Amino acid sequence: GDSVTQMEGPVTLSEEAFLTINCTYTATGYPSLFWYVQYPGEGLQLLLKATKADDKGSNKGFEATYRKETTSFHLEKGSVQVSDSAVYFCALSAMQAGTALIFGKGTTLSVSS
Amino acid sequence: GAVVSQHPSWVICKSGTSVKIECRSLDFQATTMFWYRQFPKQSLMLMATSNEGSKATYEQGVEKDKFLINHASLTLSTLTVTSAHPEDSSFYICSARDNPGQGKGHGYTFGSGTRLTVV
Repeated sequence: GDSVTQMEGPVTLSEEAFLTINCTYTATGYPSLFWYVQYPGEGLQLLLKATKADDKGSNKGFEATYRKETTSFHLEKGSVQVSDSAVYFCALSAMQAGTALIFGKGTTLSVSS
Repeated sequence: GAVVSQHPSWVICKSGTSVKIECRSLDFQATTMFWYRQFPKQSLMLMATSNEGSKATYEQGVEKDKFLINHASLTLSTLTVTSAHPEDSSFYICSARDNPGQGKGHGYTFGSGTRLTVV
């Protein structure tokens, strides 16, 4: 079945460091891909998405490119801030209507000043 | 954008009692809603998918008699944890899928979650 694999955390960085969180997927067809962020004690917020190959999703300095050839959707940010500390989830949506998002295990990011 | 309201945000109940969690789509019609459970420092586990006006579809291993889901309208789904026990303590999150063409968001909108503690 469809699945998402993302790098294990935690990821600990200093402020202004470069961030990469790897995400790869297995799916039939052409899924949509998402990155969600979860702050402590809160629900999930959509960070960015891409719906087809070579699409680049971007938001708040984060970006990720849908790479079909490598089945990847790595999250990057050029300069992280303390406020970016959170758990990041990569997810995919299968092509069938009405199907739930499939999530990776999440990566905890901790940024120190 | 699309907004999903989930209540309560936290609840403490005694073992053996039932707890109802509500999930409302505020500005769009949600034909499909999803209920997830999240254990500490873990990912979201899909519990069930509910479609308005029909019975929910539960994932393997999820007890349908313990976790009752009702999706009586296009804007409201409820999850009732019946005869709750301490092992049911968890963070429960709902997600609503909007109708194609409503243009309200990206298709999946999440509630803010409910922290259930059973004592």
